[in-house]
Amino acid sequence: EDQVTQSPEALRLQEGESSSLNCSYTVSGLRGLFWYRQDPGKGPEFLFTLYSAGEEKEKERLKATLTKKESFLHITAPKPEDSATYLCAVQSETSGSRLTFGEGTQLTVNP
Amino acid sequence: DARVTQTPRHKVTEMGQEVTMRCQPILGHNTVFWYRQTMMQGLELLAYFRNRAPLDDSGMPKDRFSAEMPDATLATLKIQPSEPRDSAVYFCASGLRSGTQINYGYTFGSGTRLTVV
Repeated sequence: EDQVTQSPEALRLQEGESSSLNCSYTVSGLRGLFWYRQDPGKGPEFLFTLYSAGEEKEKERLKATLTKKESFLHITAPKPEDSATYLCAVQSETSGSRLTFGEGTQLTVNP
Repeated sequence: DARVTQTPRHKVTEMGQEVTMRCQPILGHNTVFWYRQTMMQGLELLAYFRNRAPLDDSGMPKDRFSAEMPDATLATLKIQPSEPRDSAVYFCASGLRSGTQINYGYTFGSGTRLTVV
């Protein structure tokens, strides 16, 4: 059974204070690791897909990296509008098209 | 921007009543999902379809939940009878899968917030 654990559960940063969110996973053959952002009252919004260890992707202040056991979402010089819950999900060789989600990290960036 | 449309956005119903939630996936997407989100369980997959055919509904309580795709533009999730423990936000998502990879992730709708009293 695929498992995803995200840490920390919640993170408070000051504007401009860089940090990282962690996503640890256990799967039988990773097909893809996905990062989503979710704002209150909305559905998750797709950010990145990573397919193999060593891969990195960037979008504005966000950079996602992947190893064989975990992924990090690095947030550089965050702004208040980056406040949201960040979700990690995995697709495995045994899961078909199913994504298994972690519980998320709730990020708050104070001005 | 292409989007997944879900109706209704909010639904309050009494225990025992039937609830139907609807989803219009993005045109051209061949995979459609129903997820449920609660504070306790997070996002859980209920069912999904590929090219309108059900592929997996193992996450659904089958005695009360049913999911269908009568055509490529409509997916429905029905609960009959509803119970207070069904209170949650139900999300529909769609995506395009080719081969073994999911292209560009899935696009989620804004959800239906269901409250069963």
